[in-house]
Amino acid sequence: KNEVEQSPQNLTAQEGEFITINCSYSVGISALHWLQQHPGGGIVSLFMLSSGKKKHGRLIATINIQEKHSSLHITASHPRDSAVYICAVSPINYDMRFGAGTRLTVKP
Amino acid sequence: EAGVAQSPRYKIIEKRQSVAFWCNPISGHATLYWYQQILGQGPKLLIQFQNNGVVDDSQLPKDRFSAERLKGVDSTLKIQPAKLEDSAVYLCASSSTGTQYFGPGTRLLVL
Repeated sequence: KNEVEQSPQNLTAQEGEFITINCSYSVGISALHWLQQHPGGGIVSLFMLSSGKKKHGRLIATINIQEKHSSLHITASHPRDSAVYICAVSPINYDMRFGAGTRLTVKP
Repeated sequence: EAGVAQSPRYKIIEKRQSVAFWCNPISGHATLYWYQQILGQGPKLLIQFQNNGVVDDSQLPKDRFSAERLKGVDSTLKIQPAKLEDSAVYLCASSSTGTQYFGPGTRLLVL
């Protein structure tokens, strides 16, 4: 079983919809990261969380340490949000572990 | 601030050939990572350097993969000999305070 599980694997939405991507992990962590990877492009770090909630523009990330769960929300989605979103955790005793990613397609 | 640089961006080789990738991290970042990302999967850590020392290489296939960061700045990752299953994107990242900054990756295709 992967230490980091994301859902859904694939997500298609209409422009303007509210989007939620979920991440569950099974190890103790010092931080959780949400990353964005565009087709053919590199990876961009969106958030690094250790508790609570962070907001950047239309993106919101939350984490519940007790439940070992995090969500990434996108409000008023746009076609340029189409990308793979990857959840990664920094476990306490070893280095980052990554989820398989959620492929988001936002249609105009 | 310049980001993490990687070269080449693309490489096509035949199996059993050798290949090397180069990474220049963000200036001042002591920690450097190499990841392998196979299509449809999340990145897998191959090796982590702290300055010029290896912190974690537990997932590096040492029979064919090697990496070095001799002066604690640039790093090279080598595969010798390559296998078909090595086809992937090889990502380099660097960090100083925990947040990792990723390079654009090198896409390797082994025929």
